[in-house]
Amino acid sequence: GAVVSQHPSRVICKSGTSVKIECRSLDFQATTMFWYRQFPKQSLMLMATSNEGSKATYEQGVEKDKFLINHASLTLSTLTVTSAHPEDSSFYICSARAGGVEKLFFGSGTQLSVL
Amino acid sequence: GQQVMQIPQYQHVQEGEDFTTYCNSSTTLSNIQWYKQRPGGHPVFLIQLVKSGEVKKQKRLTFQFGEAKKNSSLHITATQTTDVGTYFCAGPRQAGTALIFGKGTTLSVSS
Repeated sequence: GAVVSQHPSRVICKSGTSVKIECRSLDFQATTMFWYRQFPKQSLMLMATSNEGSKATYEQGVEKDKFLINHASLTLSTLTVTSAHPEDSSFYICSARAGGVEKLFFGSGTQLSVL
Repeated sequence: GQQVMQIPQYQHVQEGEDFTTYCNSSTTLSNIQWYKQRPGGHPVFLIQLVKSGEVKKQKRLTFQFGEAKKNSSLHITATQTTDVGTYFCAGPRQAGTALIFGKGTTLSVSS
């Protein structure tokens, strides 16, 4: 099956710093990737839809200046959490579709802890 | 707004017992998908249902899609400890290409 690679898997940073998370489709091209956020024991909350070559579409309530998304190529999307604060601590996970099928392939996620 | 609801939130069973989780959408869906997330892991696709009234089986798992294409269920027969995890249903949002996930049902199994 299609593989989505996400790294880092875990990051600890100080409050006020920025963190970049990378999401790569290893064996397929993904014109669209999706970024989700998951709090402990809770559901996946869609943050934004990342479109290759164009601006990301953010969900209501998600600060686009806070969560910068760049989809520079058909295999790479990045999420940068700018000026991170403890409330940004969460599990961030990306996903993509491969070959026009409906199902999503997920990266392994990034656990962000902001001290 | 469009919502996907799922019950129960938690379910604990003894190994060998059956388990069912229910999913309900506020809108008619073109398809519904089910994912499983093991503790500490990421969601993994299980199945997609497309047709009204569709029933699909995967070994001990039975998936149903309602006639109105607004609800779905996942039933596990004779649970095993390997079934532990959170089961999510998800449907396409009306605008765009993203999936909207239910809150999930976390299944724990004791042997």
